[in-house]
Amino acid sequence: DAMVIQNPRYQVTQFGKPVTLSCSQTLNHNVMYWYQQKSSQAPKLLFHYYDKDFNNEADTPDNFQSRRPNTSFCFLDIRSPGLGDAAMYLCATSRGRFVNTEAFFGQGTRLTVV
Amino acid sequence: TQLLEQSPQFLSIQEGENLTVYCNSSSVFSSLQWYRQEPGEGPVLLVTVVTGGEVKKLKRLTFQFGDARKDSSLHITAAQPGDTGLYLCAGASNQGGSEKLVFGKGMKLTVNP
Repeated sequence: DAMVIQNPRYQVTQFGKPVTLSCSQTLNHNVMYWYQQKSSQAPKLLFHYYDKDFNNEADTPDNFQSRRPNTSFCFLDIRSPGLGDAAMYLCATSRGRFVNTEAFFGQGTRLTVV
Repeated sequence: TQLLEQSPQFLSIQEGENLTVYCNSSSVFSSLQWYRQEPGEGPVLLVTVVTGGEVKKLKRLTFQFGDARKDSSLHITAAQPGDTGLYLCAGASNQGGSEKLVFGKGMKLTVNP
């Protein structure tokens, strides 16, 4: 059974039109991450939540925002998608304690910007 | 900024060959994970190494964590076409009280029948 679920699997949005990607988890993990992965590249961390504490990476554009209304759900909002934002977006969770920082990933959402 | 360098970045080999992938950093990590990712899917955890010098085996895969906890290697024996995928190493760190995973760029492996 899937433990980290991302919806939708594929999302097509128009240039400049706000889009929201969603992630839910059944693991009750403290930490939730959003990564951006472009073709054949490593996942790039955008931000993560440790419980309700939001941690933004220094190089994450302001165009990307996130919300975590409760432990199970986390959302990625792209306010004005550009062509360069087309990528696979991966959500992951972890317990968040040093040796337990293994991440469990969802299947990702492939975002296309037209 | 903590960086993980993986080498080689691409490898195409024949079934039955052995290979080693390296993951190096100038930073110390509390643990290091190896993931395998297939096209269109999220990464899946293979192993976590925690102790310097630790060696873990997973069938034909052998993982080693460097003594100083700055580097790791993955050795695959008798590679099979099913081993094809993107192999990612990721280091766990605690910067400013915020715990996170930092990924290397990955090694894209193709095993030809």
